[in-house]
Amino acid sequence: DTGVSQNPRHKITKRGQNVTFRCDPISEHNRLYWYRQTLGQGPEFLTYFQNEAQLEKSRLLSDRFSAERPKGSFSTLEIQRTEQGDSAMYLCASSSAGGPSLPSTDTQYFGPGTRLTVL
Amino acid sequence: SQQGEEDPQALSIQEGENATMNCSYKTSINNLQWYRQNSGRGLVHLILIRSNEREKHSGRLRVTLDTSKKSSSLLITASRAADTASYFCAADPVSGNTPLVFGKGTRLSVIA
Repeated sequence: DTGVSQNPRHKITKRGQNVTFRCDPISEHNRLYWYRQTLGQGPEFLTYFQNEAQLEKSRLLSDRFSAERPKGSFSTLEIQRTEQGDSAMYLCASSSAGGPSLPSTDTQYFGPGTRLTVL
Repeated sequence: SQQGEEDPQALSIQEGENATMNCSYKTSINNLQWYRQNSGRGLVHLILIRSNEREKHSGRLRVTLDTSKKSSSLLITASRAADTASYFCAADPVSGNTPLVFGKGTRLSVIA
C-alpha cells in the first residue's frame, strides 16, 4: 500500500461527456504528478504540482484537460468532451520536495490508477 | 515522447533463473529509477540509483548505471513466479522541472 489513493478506479463514459478523477497523495508529500498510460506503453507525464501551484504541463495536456490542486492536498483531473483516444489508465503519484520539517525524496509513489474507457 | 527504452520488450524465463533487463536514456540525469507494474495496477518503486553511483543492490535486485553509455540494467536473481510483471526504468533529467521520463517497459514472465 503506497498511501496514494485514486477514485474512481474505473470509469466508462460516452464520447463527448466530461469526466473528473481524484487523487489523494500521501499526506506529507507536497508534490503531486499526473501521468497517462496506454496499453503496452510506459507512463507519460501530464502535469505536476508543488503544493497548489501547477509547475509543469506536458504538450499532451490539451485544452480539454485541466488539473487542479486547490488546497495543496488532493488533486482533480478533468477531461472535457472526451474522445476515444482519451481511453487510458490515468496515474497519480506524489513525492516530497523537502521543507523545514520534511525530508526530500526523489522517489514517486504511485496510486492504483483510474482506468478510463471512452465508448 | 518517452526517453527511456527497455530491452528486451518481453522476457520469459523459468523460476529460479536470473532475469536481466536493460534501459537506455537520452539526456543527463540526476538519478534513474526502476519500477514494477503488475497487470492493470499502479507502479511500485523498486530501486533508485544516483548519477554518481555505478551499482546498487536491494535484496534480489541489482542495478547498474553507466552514465557514459546512458544505460542501466536491472538484474533479478533467483526469479519467482511472483516476479511476473512489467518493469520500467524512469530517468530523472537534470534540466528544468521535467519529472520522470519512463520507457516502454519489459514484460517479464516467470514460469513455475
